[in-house]
Amino acid sequence: DIQMTQSPSAMSASVGDRVTITCRASQVISNNLAWFQQKPGKVPKRLIYAASSLHGGVPSRFSGSGSGTEFTLTISSLQPEDFATYYCLQYNSYPHTFGQGTKLEIK
Amino acid sequence: EVQLVESGGGLVQPGGSLRLSCAASGFTFSDHYMDWVRQAPGKGLEWVGRIRNKANSYTTEYAASVKGRFTISREDSKNSLYLQMNSLKTEDTAVYYCTRRAFDYWGQGILVTVSS
Repeated sequence: DIQMTQSPSAMSASVGDRVTITCRASQVISNNLAWFQQKPGKVPKRLIYAASSLHGGVPSRFSGSGSGTEFTLTISSLQPEDFATYYCLQYNSYPHTFGQGTKLEIK
Repeated sequence: EVQLVESGGGLVQPGGSLRLSCAASGFTFSDHYMDWVRQAPGKGLEWVGRIRNKANSYTTEYAASVKGRFTISREDSKNSLYLQMNSLKTEDTAVYYCTRRAFDYWGQGILVTVSS
């Protein structure tokens, strides 16, 4: 199975900060990676698919990059509503696997 | 508007069975592969499995943790997806979500609690 390792597991940042979350795959997954945002008690929302394509309606401050085994999710200027947990997901092969999550908290 | 609505959750004893349903609307259900994802309390997301469409013979894929115990099926005439869960364990306690293959639309989730 492909292991997805996110870093950091948790972080604190301030409104207006630029934030980068990394996801590393244990094998090459091409660009078959998605990013999700989840707030407490809520359903996960897809932000990015195919590593860098923005899901419709998602603000342009979110961006994704990478290919192969290393991927990043960047939030260019944090907004109050962005404090949440973020997950990556590889869908290159079965079983599909999620990263363990990155909890983004207010500093 | 795409909608996915899960039902059938609840409390079940270890070793028991439960069947979840997911009612789909707002898109051509029969064209799409469908997935189940779960989330244990306070934990991360775990992919459970997938069922392909008729054109791909309704074949299925499962996570190792549920293979042989869980079965995904669908009824295209009813726009419905199912998750039959047998031999349930306490570690199967989670919120279960149905989602489309692209993970672009999710149901609201349904809680399954396995406890004596």
